[in-house]
Amino acid sequence: EVQLVESGGGLIQPGGSLRLSCAASGFTVSSNYMSWVRQAPGKGLEWVSVIYSGGSTYYADSVKGRFTISRDNYKNTLYLQMNSLRAEDTAVYYCARESVWWGQGTLVTVSS
Amino acid sequence: DIQMTQSPSTLSASVGDRVTITCRASQSISSWLAWYQQKPGKAPKLLIYKASSLQSGVPSRFSGSGSETEFTLTISSLQPDDFATYYCQQYNTYSQTFGQGTKVEIK
Repeated sequence: EVQLVESGGGLIQPGGSLRLSCAASGFTVSSNYMSWVRQAPGKGLEWVSVIYSGGSTYYADSVKGRFTISRDNYKNTLYLQMNSLRAEDTAVYYCARESVWWGQGTLVTVSS
Repeated sequence: DIQMTQSPSTLSASVGDRVTITCRASQSISSWLAWYQQKPGKAPKLLIYKASSLQSGVPSRFSGSGSETEFTLTISSLQPDDFATYYCQQYNTYSQTFGQGTKVEIK
């Protein structure tokens, strides 16, 4: 059974860093394209980043240069390293496998 | 970046109604469009991909159409479980974008 479990969210001060993890089971992360999508409280969905099976990565303009998507093939886990966090990064962050399977989300709150 | 505009933002309908949601792209995206359903506190659920292909397990009352810049999601006969927010998403470019969402409410 395909399962995605995000972790690593929490309360962080502006300017701080956080790393989100998405532990996968039931499939191989490196064989699929994997995405991060976020949703600010009461707002719509915002695509954040994608990593393809070949390793290519792409980012939304709003996070380019601050966020890094990566994966650990041995741990079968997807990551999102978030640096220089801003209040507007506050959101529930979802990981997704090929847009079909989604995790339950992890909340990131950027506030002093 | 490609902008996606959905209409309407909110839609009030009754069980059994035929419902249509429109999504317009700021430039041609061929058929690289997906539709999602999201309920409060839950992750999005993929309904339609490549503009008109029904995702496995999704009821046949959902259908998608369109190409280039104009797309529609149709629910042929609205069911109680369909009251939710719907999003379109383009994946024509490496920088993907979502529409702002359409909330389908009970009339």
